[in-house]
Amino acid sequence: ETGVTQSPTHLIKTRGQQVTLRCSSQSGHNTVSWYQQALGQGPQFIFQYYREEENGRGNFPPRFSGLQFPNYSSELNVNALELDDSALYLCASSPDPQQPQHFGDGTRLSIL
Amino acid sequence: TQLLEQSPQFLSIQEGENLTVYCNSSSVFSSLQWYRQEPGEGPVLLVTVVTGGEVKKLKRLTFQFGDARKDSSLHITAAQPGDTGLYLCAGAISGATNKLIFGTGTLLAVQP
Repeated sequence: ETGVTQSPTHLIKTRGQQVTLRCSSQSGHNTVSWYQQALGQGPQFIFQYYREEENGRGNFPPRFSGLQFPNYSSELNVNALELDDSALYLCASSPDPQQPQHFGDGTRLSIL
Repeated sequence: TQLLEQSPQFLSIQEGENLTVYCNSSSVFSSLQWYRQEPGEGPVLLVTVVTGGEVKKLKRLTFQFGDARKDSSLHITAAQPGDTGLYLCAGAISGATNKLIFGTGTLLAVQP
């Protein structure tokens, strides 16, 4: 048990729609990072939030956005969904950015 | 662009055999982590290595960080079916984010 819970576990959307994925970390984990894992590949860093502010971003377009809340939960929002957005979305948390990250089981997003 | 290449990509062996997985990059990392991921689950942290030349053992698993902190290896002795999974190395980029750059993964199948 990593103490990181993601919801929903699976989601099906169509092109052009918007989606919100949620992550709940354990108390005291002020850092949350989001990753996209396409089938057969390693996870790719999307962005990180630390104490409710964005603390770094990977090579993803602005239609990928996020929020972190004081209760150690966070969201990943994706607008104007594209077929290539189909992937497993993982969140990972840690007490601070320098500590090892612990992952949730992810949300499998399928775009039709 | 930082890249981490893992080899081999796929490995199918018999129970009791030994194996080594390699993780190579041209970039220097502040630390390197190894994860194992099973179908439908998120990556689970196995170990973090920080010092160049460091060797860590976790039961039948031996992890080594290269002297220059650019590469790493994972050696499994007497593999068991329970070792089956996707093994991912991830290098941490020093800085405020300490974001993880994941390797391409090694899919290991241990046949009974």
